[in-house]
Amino acid sequence: AQTVTQSQPEMSVQEAETVTLSCTYDTSENNYYLFWYKQPPSRQMILVIRQEAYKQQNATENRFSVNFQKAAKSFSLKISDSQLGDTAMYFCAFKSSGTYKYIFGTGTRLKVLA
Amino acid sequence: KAGVTQTPRYLIKTRGQQVTLSCSPISGHRSVSWYQQTPGQGLQFLFEYFSETQRNKGNFPGRFSGRQFSNSRSEMNVSTLELGDSALYLCASSLRPGDGADTQYFGPGTRLTVL
Repeated sequence: AQTVTQSQPEMSVQEAETVTLSCTYDTSENNYYLFWYKQPPSRQMILVIRQEAYKQQNATENRFSVNFQKAAKSFSLKISDSQLGDTAMYFCAFKSSGTYKYIFGTGTRLKVLA
Repeated sequence: KAGVTQTPRYLIKTRGQQVTLSCSPISGHRSVSWYQQTPGQGLQFLFEYFSETQRNKGNFPGRFSGRQFSNSRSEMNVSTLELGDSALYLCASSLRPGDGADTQYFGPGTRLTVL
């Protein structure tokens, strides 16, 4: 069975600094998709970034980028120039291409400090 | 385009009662998934519906059930509520399941409190 592990329950970062959130997963599949979702205190879960496992190139969305290491089964999220609005719970998620089910990690609570 | 909507946003029930939560997906989305979110367990997958059929189910007791209507709107029902059912219930929609490129979009959730 696939699992997703986020080993950092809480993190904090100073405004304008860079922070990296860790995520590891376990699967025997070769075709799958990885996601980072953000859940601000208002609770609406928002997609931050998505990575297809068959793509070598790391995904980037403005200040958000990932470091995808397929062999190591690692999928970390880097937030550059952190802003107060980045304060949220961040969830890493895995989806096999052959299933309908998303598997989420337990989340990392990120606090951006002014 | 309107996002995923969930009603009600807040609900308070007592043990033994039953509850029905509703989810309207993004227009054009045909797949709806439900999750239970609690501080201790994180996000737990409940079930997923596509074309009015349950395609996948998580490890929850039979008290948790759902359905999807022809307009893709979905409801989930919890019968004989227990204190441990207190949680945030999230609904997510996507265009279609099984397509690896598909992405889920979440609603704001329904906060259920069982007293």
